[in-house]
Amino acid sequence: DTAVSQTPKYLVTQMGNDKSIKCEQNLGHDTMYWYKQDSKKFLKIMFSYNNKELIINETVPNRFSPKSPDKAHLNLHINSLELGDSAVYFCASSPDESGLYGYTFGSGTRLTVV
Amino acid sequence: AQSVTQLDSQVPVFEEAPVELRCNYSSSVSVYLFWYVQYPNQGLQLLLKYLSGSTLVKGINGFEAEFNKSQTSFHLRKPSVHISDTAEYFCAVRISGGYQKVTFGTGTKLQVIP
Repeated sequence: DTAVSQTPKYLVTQMGNDKSIKCEQNLGHDTMYWYKQDSKKFLKIMFSYNNKELIINETVPNRFSPKSPDKAHLNLHINSLELGDSAVYFCASSPDESGLYGYTFGSGTRLTVV
Repeated sequence: AQSVTQLDSQVPVFEEAPVELRCNYSSSVSVYLFWYVQYPNQGLQLLLKYLSGSTLVKGINGFEAEFNKSQTSFHLRKPSVHISDTAEYFCAVRISGGYQKVTFGTGTKLQVIP
């Protein structure tokens, strides 16, 4: 059983389209995250939810909208996709919002905008 | 704000040789430190962490790291590497106190040569 699973694994889409990435964790963790990893492998946090409540919202264009229907799920919807959105998006979870127990990451969604 | 620097983007090393991957951080307050490993096409996995106590921390897969407050470093070491250790390694830092985000370094690619 995959602890943190993301779908889809690959996503190729045209500029201007709207797409969603889904994430689910079966670890019973309270906190979930979205990270963006660029072509140089730099990892930047985008959002964090704790028990369905948004606790981190970094400087991200408002075309990106996270949604957490329950604490086991955190989805990411992206409107009007741009070339610069091409990256690998990682979902992660941790037992609580402190991050001190470490994160469990999903295997990533490689988004390519053409 | 905290930051973390991994000076080496790539480190080639022969199989069974020792390796050290360097990590330096910048923070005006106490920190917590982490090392993560990312195998190809996978998410990051926690290797080890320093929260407090002994400055020498042992992790999974035979890795260890030493926290050096005076040099603001948290270098990762392994006495004898295997081919399977080929991966990207990320150092991460979080400042102590309250809720704070975790900041990742830009990664070091460890290439083990047979």
